[in-house]
Amino acid sequence: NAGVTQTPKFQVLKTGQSMTLQCAQDMNHEYMSWYRQDPGMGLRLIHYSVGAGITDQGEVPNGYNVSRSTTEDFPLRLLSAAPSQTSVYFCASRLRDFSFSNTEAFFGQGTRLTVV
Amino acid sequence: KQEVTQIPAALSVPEGENLVLNCSFTDSAIYNLQWFRQDPGKGLTSLLLIQSSQREQTSGRLNASLDKSSGRSTLYIAASQPGDSATYLCAVPTGGGNKLTFGTGTQLKVEL
Repeated sequence: NAGVTQTPKFQVLKTGQSMTLQCAQDMNHEYMSWYRQDPGMGLRLIHYSVGAGITDQGEVPNGYNVSRSTTEDFPLRLLSAAPSQTSVYFCASRLRDFSFSNTEAFFGQGTRLTVV
Repeated sequence: KQEVTQIPAALSVPEGENLVLNCSFTDSAIYNLQWFRQDPGKGLTSLLLIQSSQREQTSGRLNASLDKSSGRSTLYIAASQPGDSATYLCAVPTGGGNKLTFGTGTQLKVEL
């Protein structure tokens, strides 16, 4: 079972470069999201999507773009990388259950990004 | 604003010991609470999700309880093993369910 797959696992960028972090899930989950994890800050929501064609901002969206053209994929784009974006990025998915009785979230293995 | 805290921040126990990890939240109007483990350099692995209408949820040696009125959840680990060493995080849905608010984590080390 693949679950949530993130690529790449590691990446080093120079300041000003752009790149896309890939996230794919095979569980037919409507809801997908991106978090960043930083020491002392915990996990913070960057962007999320409740279905194909629908995206919205989280707590820390500046410097990041997302799109959701399919149910399976939710890429995160860094437009012009900055050292402050050095972090570990996690993609998560879950069912969109309006009763919230079955909203177990599943996370990918993360992408460790260093911006120099 | 929902705040989630976990005590203790770090815990070291000998193998075989039963232990309890604590999670507290300030707003009792939660939909559910999820426990995760995170190994160093790895992603988050879901352990248990306990719904707001439930008091307990069990999986193997793990048992999670939920007391919404007091704003607490506990994760009980029976007969701890070195392989249980990891950081344990609790999280609750907030923002209309569009995000997870995570606790501060408990770093567990189980020693031989």
